[in-house]
Amino acid sequence: SQTIHQWPATLVQPVGSPLSLECTVEGTSNPNLYWYRQAAGRGLQLLFYSVGIGQISSEVPQNLSASRPQDRQFILSSKKLLLSDSGFYLCAWMGLMNTEAFFGQGTRLTVV
Amino acid sequence: ELKVEQNPLFLSMQEGKNYTIYCNYSTTSDRLYWYRQDPGKSLESLFVLLSNGAVKQEGRLMASLDTKARLSTLHITAAVHDLSATYFCAPRTNAGKSTFGDGTTLTVKP
Repeated sequence: SQTIHQWPATLVQPVGSPLSLECTVEGTSNPNLYWYRQAAGRGLQLLFYSVGIGQISSEVPQNLSASRPQDRQFILSSKKLLLSDSGFYLCAWMGLMNTEAFFGQGTRLTVV
Repeated sequence: ELKVEQNPLFLSMQEGKNYTIYCNYSTTSDRLYWYRQDPGKSLESLFVLLSNGAVKQEGRLMASLDTKARLSTLHITAAVHDLSATYFCAPRTNAGKSTFGDGTTLTVKP
């Protein structure tokens, strides 16, 4: 069966520090991968999605970037965090039939 | 740009009662998802509605889709405390991306 791993679960980082969040998927090939951010009490905002290795689409201009170095690995990065980058970050994958998205456990990022 | 409006945003129910959550969206969508989120947790898929008139039921929850009205509903029957959570609808655009509503936070009281 397919599983999705996302880490770390929580992270507290100072303003101006770098960020790297990693997401890996098991049990499937060539998934569509997504990074979302959720502000407190709100829905999910799509940040990036990828349909294949090295293919990244950015949805909103921001202080973040994403990379997909391997088929089942998706990384969210920042060179210098801002206070406004705080939030709950969720990685998700969707198979070829696009029936539903499966989410990782999320990373709660607090920038101080 | 696809806009999604859920209502109500907050819902407090007595156990055993019925209620409906509404999800309106602004442009054409080829499918719609419903997710559940428990406090501090990730999202869990509940339903995928693939066509106009689609209806799916799981336990006390039933979801329907009217693509002509651009409306989906999530009906709760005889609510129980375990249903307390935040529910999100997410219609998908033809570009393959989903837009999420702000969620409906449901609290079921004894």
